[in-house]
Order: sequence, then structure tokens, then C-alpha cells
Amino acid sequence: QQQVKQSPQSLIVQKGGISIINCAYENTAFDYFPWYQQFPGKGPALLIAIRPDVSEKKEGRFTISFNKSAKQFSLHIMDSQPGDSATYFCAASMLDTGRRALTFGSGTRLQVQP
Amino acid sequence: DSGVTQTPKHLITATGQRVTLRCSPRSGDLSVYWYQQSLDQGLQFLIHYYNGEERAKGNILERFSAQQFPDLHSELNLSSLELGDSALYFCASSFAGTSGGRYTGELFFGEGSRLTVL
Repeated sequence: QQQVKQSPQSLIVQKGGISIINCAYENTAFDYFPWYQQFPGKGPALLIAIRPDVSEKKEGRFTISFNKSAKQFSLHIMDSQPGDSATYFCAASMLDTGRRALTFGSGTRLQVQP
Repeated sequence: DSGVTQTPKHLITATGQRVTLRCSPRSGDLSVYWYQQSLDQGLQFLIHYYNGEERAKGNILERFSAQQFPDLHSELNLSSLELGDSALYFCASSFAGTSGGRYTGELFFGEGSRLTVL
């Protein structure tokens, strides 16, 4: 199975709070897990990514937590700011018949209230 | 700026018509992907080209077709358009290479072509 399940569908957080978005996968062949951020009217852009050989990756206020045994990973946005309001997509990548295949989650619309 | 250029940015047309969306990938990127994003929907993978060859098809309708040219730009052709085809169409490119054996194939997305079918 190549599905990536993402939740919640939408999220409202107060400024300064922590935003948490969760994703789960089934296929253990996935070996690269990026998160993409999309602002209205723009294309998605890579935010942060992790490989399954580490349990956590932090870049500024953004952290990916990865649980290989549970086949789950999550994005934490610390000290959330109104400028973080966007749609976030988790994704998982694997080699598939000689090519890299990327499967996206369904997206989470984050709104950070001032 | 991702370096991926998509034209046109906006397109309004009528049902039954045919349109062509164009994508110029980042310099050096050999892979081009097309995605469809409908209102409040996720990214639906349509098709992937690598160095001029079709590599994978996703949820692409038979009315849709694509190609990648020798200069690596790509076109997505949508024909017999229906109201439900109204969406944002994104092109993304990737080097799809490796560095020290580790995958480095980040996707770089264009700003999309917004298609409205009336």
C-alpha cells in the first residue's frame, strides 16, 4: 500500500502555541519523508524532511518526529506565528520500479490566530 | 522562486474545449511531474516524465495527455474539458539524483496554472 494518511484536515492554533500534524503510512519501503508547505496561490515548497534512520529532525521552529515501529511521523511547529498559516502536506518516498515515487498526504490547513 | 515556470497562470475556457499547459523545469532537472489540485483537495499525481520518457501514470484521465520535449520542457494537454476539470495544475521538477548514495530528489513546484471551465 502506498497511502499516506494525514490528520487533522484543518487546525486552528493561537499565536505562540504548538501546531501538531500527524501522518501514518503502511509501506515499509518508504525511505524518505518530506513535509511541504503551501501558501495560498503558490505551489508547495519543501519545508523539512527526515529519513527513517533518525527519530527527530529540527530546523528552527519546525521539528519532525519519526516513529519507525509505529509507522508514524509528525510535524511540530513551535511558537506558531500567523505567517505559518498555510496548508501542510506530509509525503513519503520510495523506489518503485526503478523510479522515485512520492506519495502525498491529503493536507492540513493550518490557521494561526493572532 | 522555485525556478519552475508554468504558463499560463490563469485560463478560462468553455466545456468541450482543449487547452495546453506548459512547464519549464529548473535548469538541470530531468524529471517533470504533473499534479492536479482541486478546491480544498490534496495533490493528485497525474504523470511523471524523466528525460523525455514517460515513467509513471497516476490518476490521469484518458482525455489528458502530456509530453516532455528534448529541451526538457513539458506540456499537459487537456481535451474535451468538463466543469470538473477546473483546478490548479502544478508542475514540479526534480533532479532525482543521489548524493553519496542517499536520495536527494526534492520536488520543486511551479506556481501552478489555474484552469476554470465554464
